Amino acid sequence: ETGVTQSPTHLIKTRGQQVTLRCSSQSGHNTVSWYQQALGQGPQFIFQYYREEENGRGNFPPRFSGLQFPNYSSELNVNALELDDSALYLCASSPSTVSYEQYFGPGTRLTVT
Amino acid sequence: AQSVTQPDIHITVSEGASLELRCNYSYGATPYLFWYVQSPGQGLQLLLKYFSGDTLVQGIKGFEAEFKRSQSSFNLRKPSVHWSDAAEYFCAVVSTDSWGKFQFGAGTQVVVTP
Repeated sequence: ETGVTQSPTHLIKTRGQQVTLRCSSQSGHNTVSWYQQALGQGPQFIFQYYREEENGRGNFPPRFSGLQFPNYSSELNVNALELDDSALYLCASSPSTVSYEQYFGPGTRLTVT
Repeated sequence: AQSVTQPDIHITVSEGASLELRCNYSYGATPYLFWYVQSPGQGLQLLLKYFSGDTLVQGIKGFEAEFKRSQSSFNLRKPSVHWSDAAEYFCAVVSTDSWGKFQFGAGTQVVVTP
């Protein structure tokens, strides 16, 4: 059984650009959540996807969007990057929306210059 | 407003000594409580969780936590720390009226000295 994987590990983008981050859920998990972890802070909930639909959203602007695919893998897209978007982006998968057990991937470190 | 507070940003402890990390929460509905650990370059690993029942819960790696409703606290403890316990620890809360929206504290960095 493979765990949650994320790609890429690191990337550097320029302000105003767009970025796509990818996440593969743990086998059998149909729910994916994304978090932003700025340096020195705890993770902040961005949104959750269940069966390819957004199932809850935190306090993030619409330029943060996502997708979930039939195989339950997921993408996080960020448009019009700002310097403050520099952070570790974490993906977490769960067996269901009500399991409360989340399994986190190692994260993608995004640097915006 | 809902909030999770970890009062200690940084704790230094000697190997073999006991460790206690504090977590206080403010939630209207019944909260579900978690402790996660994050080592450098790695994702978050669940140490333990509290949903209901016995207020003292046991987790992995020898950790335990006690839920105290009257104090709105969920403190994490370990009787004897090992050098490998050096990491950042996060308390997290989710409530039944906000499915999936975990709220994390700012974290406590634990340094273990020889």
